[in-house]
Amino acid sequence: SQELEQSPQSLIVQEGKNLTINCTSSKTLYGLYWYKQKYGEGLIFLMMLQKGGEEKSHEKITAKLDEKKQQSSLHITASQPSHAGIYLCGAGPKNAGGTSYGKLTFGQGTILTVHP
Amino acid sequence: SAVISQKPSRDICQRGTSLTIQCQVDSQVTMMFWYRQQPGQSLTLIATANQGSEATYESGFVIDKFPISRPNLTFSTLTVSNMSPEDSSIYLCSVQRGAQETQYFGPGTRLLVL
Repeated sequence: SQELEQSPQSLIVQEGKNLTINCTSSKTLYGLYWYKQKYGEGLIFLMMLQKGGEEKSHEKITAKLDEKKQQSSLHITASQPSHAGIYLCGAGPKNAGGTSYGKLTFGQGTILTVHP
Repeated sequence: SAVISQKPSRDICQRGTSLTIQCQVDSQVTMMFWYRQQPGQSLTLIATANQGSEATYESGFVIDKFPISRPNLTFSTLTVSNMSPEDSSIYLCSVQRGAQETQYFGPGTRLLVL
């Protein structure tokens, strides 16, 4: 089965600083999801990457998928207290279309704290 | 996107009892899933809820403990049976309309078993 490892496990930064969270897979990635979770709540969808080399941005968050390295990174520019939370990467099995589909395996999460 | 609601949002239950969690989506979806998130842990898939047939359970999860129904393409229930304190978790449903589509999660049901 596929395993995802996130690093770092926790991160404390000062407001305005940039940061990067990594997600490494034990198997080939056919697509990867990034979610954000506030403590005790549901998951908020951030981005889905489906192809090697793909890069997506939303506001100050950028995610990349490096298929060869079986890795994805999430980069936050000029962090704000609103970015605080738990960031989770998730990946699923390959489907007929060659992308991830269906039941997801998740990394253990990265806890981000942003000090004002 | 998809708007997903779960009921109840949280509950405190006594051991040995059962709780049924509902998941409602605002539009028809192909796939619905149930996940569990134990305290301090990441999400683990319990099962895929299949419309009109028995759910497909992941290793370590059985139908007697977690019976699932999916009567149509917008609704599913998960029952946590004969609860013990180890069942204290957040239970989340998720939906996906089709291949290459985004998987969206509900707000979760926070369960505490005493």
